[in-house]
Amino acid sequence: GQQLNQSPQSMFIQEGEDVSMNCTSSSIFNTWLWYKQEPGEGPVLLIALYKAGELTSNGRLTAQFGITRKDSFLNISASIPSDVGIYFCAGPPAGGGSNYKLTFGKGTLLTVNP
Amino acid sequence: GAVVSQHPSWVICKSGTSVKIECRSLDFQATTMFWYRQFPKQSLMLMATSNEGSKATYEQGVEKDKFLINHASLTLSTLTVTSAHPEDSSFYICSTAKTSGGAPETQYFGPGTRLLVL
Repeated sequence: GQQLNQSPQSMFIQEGEDVSMNCTSSSIFNTWLWYKQEPGEGPVLLIALYKAGELTSNGRLTAQFGITRKDSFLNISASIPSDVGIYFCAGPPAGGGSNYKLTFGKGTLLTVNP
Repeated sequence: GAVVSQHPSWVICKSGTSVKIECRSLDFQATTMFWYRQFPKQSLMLMATSNEGSKATYEQGVEKDKFLINHASLTLSTLTVTSAHPEDSSFYICSTAKTSGGAPETQYFGPGTRLLVL
């Protein structure tokens, strides 16, 4: 099936630092979604990207849909302790049947040291 | 966004028993819901797509007779783990697909149900 390569797998940073993570795929995606999951909770949607080249911000978070439609990145500026969690990229691959079905990356575990 | 609830939030059961997990869409009618399973330190794996009024569509390798899905209304889908065994212990998460203002659909997740089978 379709796979998303998400990197890095984990990050340990100091409070106040900026963070960048990305997802790549060998296949084209129609939509890129970024979720955050905290321990024992379901994923929460952070940013949704629908067009190639689209750059969208949500507070301190910024994400971009790559021009090739095969990659996306998420940046977090001025990290704070509550940014801790696992960040997942996800999307419905183009031509993969139902647009509803999502493929998930393996996640980036973010730890912020106060 | 969309509000999705799950019940129970966690359950412990004996091996061989069946467990029912409910997923509710609280603020819109969801014709399509999804059930995922997540093992520790792993990503979400889609188990099945639940369609209101029709049979669920299961992903390859997921036993439909073991994981019974019922989507009898536009706000409720249930997942029943039949004859549960310890290897079924996992975090089960549902989601709803929602289209807003003509934008492509996206998925909103419930808080998850932690299942522990002893």
